[in-house]
Amino acid sequence: GESVGLHLPTLSVQEGDNSIINCAYSNSASDYFIWYKQESGKGPQFIIDIRSNMDKRQGQRVTVLLNKTVKHLSLQIAATQPGDSAVYFCAENNGKLTFGTGTRLTIIP
Amino acid sequence: EAGVAQSPRYKIIEKRQSVAFWCNPISGHATLYWYQQILGQGPKLLIQFQNNGVVDDSQLPKDRFSAERLKGVDSTLKIQPAKLEDSAVYLCASSPYQDRSGYTFGSGTRLTVV
Repeated sequence: GESVGLHLPTLSVQEGDNSIINCAYSNSASDYFIWYKQESGKGPQFIIDIRSNMDKRQGQRVTVLLNKTVKHLSLQIAATQPGDSAVYFCAENNGKLTFGTGTRLTIIP
Repeated sequence: EAGVAQSPRYKIIEKRQSVAFWCNPISGHATLYWYQQILGQGPKLLIQFQNNGVVDDSQLPKDRFSAERLKGVDSTLKIQPAKLEDSAVYLCASSPYQDRSGYTFGSGTRLTVV
């Protein structure tokens, strides 16, 4: 089975609210994770990454949290905007990228 | 800088026919990847090139899929003969590093096999 999975296939969030997308992984040796955003008709676009020597990393409006104890990571998007509508993937990179199934984020106006 | 270019954007073929996809990576990127993304799933690696050599093709169905990267720049992925289950988006990505960072994806080729 897949080593990287997502808890929910869809997520609807009110515009302006914060979004949280979760991801679980199974390989405790995994040490590098990347979040991607994929809009319709486009390839995955890098959002933010985190290595296992960190618990948290922040970017512009995005934060990734890594909990190695329970093998879980999350992507938080602050003040969600219509342009955030997309499918979000977490991926682990152990020499090659392994993607999960993805969560479709829908913004409610 | 220019992104990863792929063509065609869309292709519809009948089963048992052959098809080829083309990828032009970002200039200077030594590593090139082909991914298959079936509807509703995450991309799955098919093959990885480092310059013009194959690094990993363990998930490439070699009885029907082939890929080459002549001169370490452009790459072509071919399917012959196509099956219905090959319907997917084929994504090309490139990276300046062999390790694990710097992936840039193209917009993909959507293949429909009927």
